[in-house]
Amino acid sequence: KAGVTQTPRYLIKTRGQQVTLSCSPISGHRSVSWYQQTPGQGLQFLFEYFSETQRNKGNFPGRFSGRQFSNSRSEMNVSTLELGDSALYLCASSPGGPGTGELFFGEGSRLTVL
Amino acid sequence: GENVEQHPSTLSVQEGDSAVIKCTYSDSASNYFPWYKQELGKGPQLIIDIRSNVGEKKDQRIAVTLNKTAKHFSLHITETQPEDSAVYFCAAHNDYKLSFGAGTTVTVRA
Repeated sequence: KAGVTQTPRYLIKTRGQQVTLSCSPISGHRSVSWYQQTPGQGLQFLFEYFSETQRNKGNFPGRFSGRQFSNSRSEMNVSTLELGDSALYLCASSPGGPGTGELFFGEGSRLTVL
Repeated sequence: GENVEQHPSTLSVQEGDSAVIKCTYSDSASNYFPWYKQELGKGPQLIIDIRSNVGEKKDQRIAVTLNKTAKHFSLHITETQPEDSAVYFCAAHNDYKLSFGAGTTVTVRA
């Protein structure tokens, strides 16, 4: 069974731009979560989607948004990029419903903001 | 919210020796405790987990113990091998999200 697939793996943007990251969950998994990983803050929860609805959201500004499609694929968007948004963005899928905990992560999308 | 503390931040062990990583959590409502291994350039990989109704779980060379009363849980790796070198994260699940520890960089010396 294929794992969680994230695209693109690496990208470089400049301040003020916006970015869209994509995630395809493990087949059959309907819950998708996003996490931001930085050396300073570690792994921080962004949001979780289930059945095309955002079920939970972490403490990030409104510039961070996401959505989920009917096939469970998910995208996250960051608008008006800031230098501090440079991070590894990780998508994880879960075989259970929202908030069940068991997460399987993808390889991540490494965003560098210049 | 949940606060997870992880120690040590770095751990160097001789190949064949055991490695132990300890975590504490703050919210007694947390009920699921996974451990992840992250290799350079990769995403975290779930290696073992334990739920709050279980005290210990073992999978080959890896074991996890949970003390709900003290609110701490530990990862034990026996007979360490070079491929065990990685960053290990503990996490606690509460309500709707995983809260992660800061990570432990494990180096296995040949």
